[in-house]
Amino acid sequence: SQQGEEDPQALSIQEGENATMNCSYKTSINNLQWYRQNSGRGLVHLILIRSNEREKHSGRLRVTLDTSKKSSSLLITASRAADTASYFCATDPNTGNQFYFGTGTSLTVIP
Amino acid sequence: EAGVAQSPRYKIIEKRQSVAFWCNPISGHATLYWYQQILGQGPKLLIQFQNNGVVDDSQLPKDRFSAERLKGVDSTLKIQPAKLEDSAVYLCASSFQRIQETQYFGPGTRLLVL
Repeated sequence: SQQGEEDPQALSIQEGENATMNCSYKTSINNLQWYRQNSGRGLVHLILIRSNEREKHSGRLRVTLDTSKKSSSLLITASRAADTASYFCATDPNTGNQFYFGTGTSLTVIP
Repeated sequence: EAGVAQSPRYKIIEKRQSVAFWCNPISGHATLYWYQQILGQGPKLLIQFQNNGVVDDSQLPKDRFSAERLKGVDSTLKIQPAKLEDSAVYLCASSFQRIQETQYFGPGTRLLVL
C-alpha cells in the first residue's frame, strides 16, 4: 500500500481563509515533500522538509513534521482561488529507493 | 530552462494493443522517473533511472511494461499488451541527482484503453 495518507480527502473554504491538510505515513523517512497538482496537469513541487527538521516556511506555506507521530501538516494561509488543486504528500523511506505519494487532498477555494 | 517534455499528451488504444510514451527530462538531470496515476489516486512510482541504469523497478509490471533510457537522457515506457486497468496518466519526472531531491514533472500522457 502507499506510504502516505492525506486527510481530509476534500476541503472547501472561502478565499482568504486558511487551509490545513494532514499527511500520515508508515515507516521512517529521509524527507517528506508536498506537491500540488492542478486539474489535468503535472505535479509541482511545493516544499521539502527533512527528517531532522520540525517546521519549514515558504511564502504562504507552512509545513510541520512530527517524526514521532509519523505525520506532517501543510498550512496554506490567506488562500486564493488559484490555490484550488489537489495536494499530495510524498515520502522517501530511509530503506530502499522507493518514493511514495499519498492519496491527496482536493482543495477548493471559493472566490 | 525548459521543463520535462512528454509525448503524446493523449492516447486511445484498444486492449491487447501496444503503446509507447516518450520523455525528455530537464537537461543535466541524472535521475528520471516514470509514474502511473490512476484517476483519484496519487502517482505510483513504476521505475527510476540513474543516468542509463535502473535504480528501482519493483513496482513495474514486467510482464507487460518495459522502459529504457538510452544514453542517459531520453526515456521510453512501453506497454504490450495493454489491459483495461492500464488506463491512467503516465507521468515522467526528473531530478538533478537522487530521489531525495525535488522532482520536476512533465504534463503527463493520458492513456485510455478500450
